[in-house]
Amino acid sequence: EAEVAQSPRYKITEKSQAVAFWCDPISGHATLYWYRQILGQGPELLVQFQDESVVDDSQLPKDRFSAERLKGVDSTLKIQPAELGDSAMYLCASSKGSGEAFFGQGTRLTVV
Amino acid sequence: GENVGLHLPTLSVQEGDNSIINCAYSNSASDYFIWYKQESGKGPQFIIDIRSNMDKRQGQRVTVLLNKTVKHLSLQIAATQPGDSAVYFCAETLNDYKLSFGAGTTVTVRA
Repeated sequence: EAEVAQSPRYKITEKSQAVAFWCDPISGHATLYWYRQILGQGPELLVQFQDESVVDDSQLPKDRFSAERLKGVDSTLKIQPAELGDSAMYLCASSKGSGEAFFGQGTRLTVV
Repeated sequence: GENVGLHLPTLSVQEGDNSIINCAYSNSASDYFIWYKQESGKGPQFIIDIRSNMDKRQGQRVTVLLNKTVKHLSLQIAATQPGDSAVYFCAETLNDYKLSFGAGTTVTVRA
């Protein structure tokens, strides 16, 4: 069964350092989402891609966060510099469009 | 294990009973809704979906009800099992734009 792959599963970084997360969506899925989930809360959408184009990044803190999906397949989310408040689960999801979104297992980020 | 209409952050239900989880969505124009189940340390897992041209959809042991008049969504789980213990989220979208999640409900199944 096809899955959304994310790496790493866990990441510990010091504040002010740079950190990057990678996502490989299900093959053929044009839509890719990045979410941030703080413990005890629902996922918050950071950025949505349609192929290689950003559809929405209104909730992405652009002073420190960036996301790209250069070839419209896999995607990278970067934080630079990381802050203590960035500690959270970062989830990637993909969909064909007009259907359910499938989620990866997430990357648990701890900033110390 | 039932709570009609009101969203509650937690729900405790006896094994074998039916559960009802409620969600108020925010955008009256949303045309597609999904219920997800999330276990600790894992990503959300699809349970069931419904489009806005329907008011009820059934799956295996689960039923989703949509009331567009009051922007309300509910998930019914029949014969709740210990493996149903998790956090449940509803999500909404319009034309596949900005899939947004509501506040979750933590379901605990008592043996």
